[in-house]
Amino acid sequence: AQKVTQAQTEISVVEKEDVTLDCVYETRDTTYYLFWYKQPPSGELVFLIRRNSFDEQNEISGRYSWNFQKSTSSFNFTITASQVVDSAVYFCALRLAGGDSWGKLQFGAGTQVVVTP
Amino acid sequence: DGGITQSPKYLFRKEGQNVTLSCEQNLNHDAMYWYRQDPGQGLRLIYYSQIVNDFQKGDIAEGYSVSREKKESFPLTVTSAQKNPTAFYLCASSIQGVTEAFFGQGTRLTVV
Repeated sequence: AQKVTQAQTEISVVEKEDVTLDCVYETRDTTYYLFWYKQPPSGELVFLIRRNSFDEQNEISGRYSWNFQKSTSSFNFTITASQVVDSAVYFCALRLAGGDSWGKLQFGAGTQVVVTP
Repeated sequence: DGGITQSPKYLFRKEGQNVTLSCEQNLNHDAMYWYRQDPGQGLRLIYYSQIVNDFQKGDIAEGYSVSREKKESFPLTVTSAQKNPTAFYLCASSIQGVTEAFFGQGTRLTVV
């Protein structure tokens, strides 16, 4: 069975500091997809990024960057120069590619990020 | 604007009553999902549907029921058989099963 672990329950930083969120996943499948979502206080989950298991290229998008390493089953997320608007709960999720796991997202417990001015 | 609409935003229910949560999408997505979120926890899948008139149980389907009569609609009924229904419920949709899912703003259900 697949599993996603976000060991950090809460991270507090001062504005402009960098913050890295850890995500470790478990699966025996060779084809899978990884996601990061942001949940602001309003409650809606906002999609940030999707990564395929066969594409280990890291990605940078503005102040966000992602480090995907299959060797350690990790998909970490870094916010550079954090801002107060980054305060939210961030979820890492895993989806398998086929079989009866079709469409199912397995979520981690989430990491609360608190950015203070 | 295209998106997913959940209603109502807040819902109160008396014990022993069934209640239906609405989810509508105009994204023309085939797949739709219902998730439950409890405080301090990740989301857990209740039901999902790949196409109209077809749906499958997720990890915590007991005490819930769904229907998918139209592509754009996927209502969730929380029945009196659900022992602990107080939670935040999120509806989502996606083009296919392996693409990213887009979420509605959620319904917070409280049993009083």
